[in-house]
This record gives sequence, structure tokens and C-alpha cells, in this order.
Amino acid sequence: TQLLEQSPQFLSIQEGENLTVYCNSSSVFSSLQWYRQEPGEGPVLLVTVVTGGEVKKLKRLTFQFGDARKDSSLHITAAQPGDTGLYLCAGEDTDKLIFGTGTRLQVFP
Amino acid sequence: GAGVSQSPSNKVTEKGKDVELRCDPISGHTALYWYRQSLGQGLEFLIYFQGNSAPDKSGLPSDRFSAERTGGSVSTLTIQRTQQEDSAVYLCASSQHGFYGYTFGSGTRLTVV
Repeated sequence: TQLLEQSPQFLSIQEGENLTVYCNSSSVFSSLQWYRQEPGEGPVLLVTVVTGGEVKKLKRLTFQFGDARKDSSLHITAAQPGDTGLYLCAGEDTDKLIFGTGTRLQVFP
Repeated sequence: GAGVSQSPSNKVTEKGKDVELRCDPISGHTALYWYRQSLGQGLEFLIYFQGNSAPDKSGLPSDRFSAERTGGSVSTLTIQRTQQEDSAVYLCASSQHGFYGYTFGSGTRLTVV
């Protein structure tokens, strides 16, 4: 069974700070996805990375896929309260996604 | 519909009772997935339907759990003889292109008392 471990598990920061969330596995994935989930809602897809070493930017969010395609990171610049939520990475496992353990981010004004 | 619809949004049931959770996927999406999320943690895969193929039931935690998908559209997840450890948010997702981008519903919060 493939596992995706995320760190840190919890993160509380002040508005304007930068942060990085990590997603690690011992398995190789052909792609990784990142989702954000807000309370009472389902996860929403943010980005898919498919090439080892790939970097994608989505406004203040930067996603990177490791060269060996076993890990990924999400960097947020100048965090805002609207970034608050549960961040989940996900990789494919036989036609379905398996999800990471999650990172809960709280950004205080 | 415009999105994935799940009902009910909340369900409180007594231990030992059976419950049915419903998912209406996005029209035209051939793949449908059920996941379970406990205490705002990561998602646990339960079952996956793809078109008319036999479902992948490898994630169902016990034989008390079953799911069906009628006419390639609506799906129902049934939990028999509910236990307190079944309390969780049950999330449904659909996809047009397999695992490349799920659209999730808002989930059903199940509480077993």
C-alpha cells in the first residue's frame, strides 16, 4: 500500500508570513495533485504536477514535484486568512487517488 | 447538475441501525468514488465505480459496508448495523477522466450515537 505523509500536521501563522508544506512517499507517482478543503466542504483541486522537477505557480502558491517523483511541496508566499484550510496531496494508486495525511493551516489576521 | 450533490448533509443514527447515503455525480462523469474522512484528517478510500465495470471494493472496511451505482449515475452507500467508529464525513467524488481531477460533493456527516 502506498502512503503519502504530509508535514507539518498543523500550522498556525500570522498574515503575511511564508510557509511550506511537504508531501513525501517512498513510492514513485506519475503525478501528484494538491487539494484544499474548507470546513463543511469537499476538497477542491488546486493543481496537478506530472513531470519530475516541475514547478507550477498559482498566484501566491508555488507547487513543486520532486525530481524522483516521490515527493512534492507547496509554498505559500505572504499568507492571507483566506488561505486557511486543510491542504491535501494525492497520488494515483491503480485508477484511484490516495490522499495524504493532510496539513491544517490557520492564518491569523 | 452543476456539481456533485450528496444527501443528507447530516445524519444522526442510533448504533445498530442501517443508513443510506446518496451521491448524485456530475452528469457525464463516468467515474465515481466514495471516501471517508475522520476528524478532519486525510481521506480513506472506500469504493470506486467506472462505467459498467465491476467496482473496486478494496477499501470497504467490513462487510457491513456496501455501495451500488444505478444506471451509471446515482450511487448509494449503505452501512448496516452502524457502529460508533463509523462516525465520519463520507465524501463522494466524480471524474470525467479517471484520477485526473476529482470534483467532490460537500459530504454527509454521519454521527452514530
